[in-house]
Amino acid sequence: NAGVTQTPKFQVLKTGQSMTLQCAQDMNHEYMSWYRQDPGMGLRLIHYSVGAGITDQGEVPNGYNVSRSTTEDFPLRLLSAAPSQTSVYFCASSYSSGLTDTQYFGPGTRLTVL
Amino acid sequence: GQQLNQSPQSMFIQEGEDVSMNCTSSSIFNTWLWYKQDPGEGPVLLIALYKAGELTSNGRLTAQFGITRKDSFLNISASIPSDVGIYFCAGRGGAQKLVFGQGTRLTINP
Repeated sequence: NAGVTQTPKFQVLKTGQSMTLQCAQDMNHEYMSWYRQDPGMGLRLIHYSVGAGITDQGEVPNGYNVSRSTTEDFPLRLLSAAPSQTSVYFCASSYSSGLTDTQYFGPGTRLTVL
Repeated sequence: GQQLNQSPQSMFIQEGEDVSMNCTSSSIFNTWLWYKQDPGEGPVLLIALYKAGELTSNGRLTAQFGITRKDSFLNISASIPSDVGIYFCAGRGGAQKLVFGQGTRLTINP
């Protein structure tokens, strides 16, 4: 198994540009989520999905869209990038959203918005 | 929203020393998790705690779920160079979403 994969590893955007961060998992996990990591602030939940066709907002959803058309993929879209979205983005997955389910994190995408 | 305060923010220790870090919350959690993040990588789960008062070990790591369900600590005994990294606590409450602490950056002098 490849686990959780994310592409690209690095990306530089100009303000106003759009892009999609890709996330895929091959563990047949139902629960997937996106976090952003900023210095001194830990990881904050952006959006999450409890299964194909179902998504919901996390703590910091503004400026981001998600969709979950398949169990394997959970892309994160930035429609109009802003410098405040400069961050490291992590995708995670787990078998379910249950209390005892371990979340597995991808390697991250480092995004810079100029 | 729920907040986690993790301390200390950074630690500089000598190889072989013991390490202790903790997290406190303003609200109750049902699960406490401790993660380690190496540079350029995603967080990796070290220890998961599911019951108040639970004390769990994983090699040289020991973590406890506080009786009040509002705190947890992580101890590392006899630190080695590969322990360097950022350690995060995370709590899961009734909404099933994880809330992360700000992280503790551990630096070890050989």
